[in-house]
Amino acid sequence: DTAVSQTPKYLVTQMGNDKSIKCEQNLGHDTMYWYKQDSKKFLKIMFSYNNKELIINETVPNRFSPKSPDKAHLNLHINSLELGDSAVYFCASSYLGLAGRHEQFFGPGTRLTVL
Amino acid sequence: AQTVTQSQPEMSVQEAETVTLSCTYDTSESNYYLFWYKQPPSRQMILVIRQEAYKQQNATENRFSVNFQKAAKSFSLKISDSQLGDTAMYFCAFMKQGGQNFVFGPGTRLSVLP
Repeated sequence: DTAVSQTPKYLVTQMGNDKSIKCEQNLGHDTMYWYKQDSKKFLKIMFSYNNKELIINETVPNRFSPKSPDKAHLNLHINSLELGDSAVYFCASSYLGLAGRHEQFFGPGTRLTVL
Repeated sequence: AQTVTQSQPEMSVQEAETVTLSCTYDTSESNYYLFWYKQPPSRQMILVIRQEAYKQQNATENRFSVNFQKAAKSFSLKISDSQLGDTAMYFCAFMKQGGQNFVFGPGTRLSVLP
């Protein structure tokens, strides 16, 4: 019954490794997002996909690559992890159609720790 | 570009009392949406309340209500009869009509004291 799910919820890894975070929504939404929340709790948009097309690509290192195989899934792959990548990453979804309320539903977050 | 400001980094309130969290935003848009989200220690982001800018009536959801002042670009959240479970970070968010993403404020950490 989970609306937006993310796996894993915790990820501890070494510098230089490559890792992926998966996100799935079962709400029938047309838009999905990745946010980064830093240690000061500030939330910043990273990417957004609408109907599998990339519509927002903020200034994010190209080591971060989103992939949307279908409207219900948006994965985040990170290459060559750095200490500064340590943060909580949130996936979210919403419906941006005319009848949509535009509110975003968030996943539980993935706490990434790079050692 | 839109910006959202929350001028109170931290606040505390006694259980059963009322507290108001402030939020101001800067935009040249006339149609937009405003939201308050709550993030308890579990870190789950939970929608508290939403407001459409074209609606003059302030939104309410049980103990939560907003004071939306469009001309002043202000969107404060009032929590009545505060409960221990209200302890959380509260984020104000803005989205323009036809926009694609939220702009979040920096958050206010609210502690409800027994």
